[in-house]
Amino acid sequence: GAVVSQHPSRVICKSGTSVKIECRSLDFQATTMFWYRQFPKQSLMLMATSNEGSKATYEQGVEKDKFLINHASLTLSTLTVTSAHPEDSSFYICSAPGLYTDTQYFGPGTRLTVL
Amino acid sequence: SQKIEQNSEALNIQEGKTATLTCNYTNYSPAYLQWYRQDPGRGPVFLLLIRENEKEKRKERLKVTFDTTLKQSLFHITASQPADSATYLCALAASGYSTLTFGKGTMLLVSP
Repeated sequence: GAVVSQHPSRVICKSGTSVKIECRSLDFQATTMFWYRQFPKQSLMLMATSNEGSKATYEQGVEKDKFLINHASLTLSTLTVTSAHPEDSSFYICSAPGLYTDTQYFGPGTRLTVL
Repeated sequence: SQKIEQNSEALNIQEGKTATLTCNYTNYSPAYLQWYRQDPGRGPVFLLLIRENEKEKRKERLKVTFDTTLKQSLFHITASQPADSATYLCALAASGYSTLTFGKGTMLLVSP
């Protein structure tokens, strides 16, 4: 089956630093990947759609200069949280749609804690 | 505004019983609805997809119904097991190429 990995699984950083999260499709190619954020006991909120070879599409209210997305290859998308602050602490999850299905395959998530 | 509602209270049932979870939506005309399972600290795992023209879908011990008139989906787990304990999310999409909108999920706790 389709597998999506994320790295790192958890990261703790100081306020003001930048953190990069990688999302990889391991056994399939993904021209599109999605980045979500999930706060405790809340639903997954779509942050942006990552498009291979072109700019990401950000959802309303998501700062594109703060959450930099790069989709440089058909199997890798990265999310960089720039100048992180404690309010950015959350669970970040990526997903990629299957080639012939309407389902999405999710990564295991990255727990970001900003001190 | 569009809203997806799932029971925020945890559902506690005994092993062997049937668990029924509800997903209601408003101001939405989804082309399909999906159910995912999410374990603590993990990403969601796809379970079932049901399209707007389908009434019911089954997969092993799982069954999903979709009533577009009531704007509701029911998710059933028969012969539930403690291993079924998790949070179950419903998600809707307007078309095959649309992004998914998720509900908050309902936690299911199956006791031995």
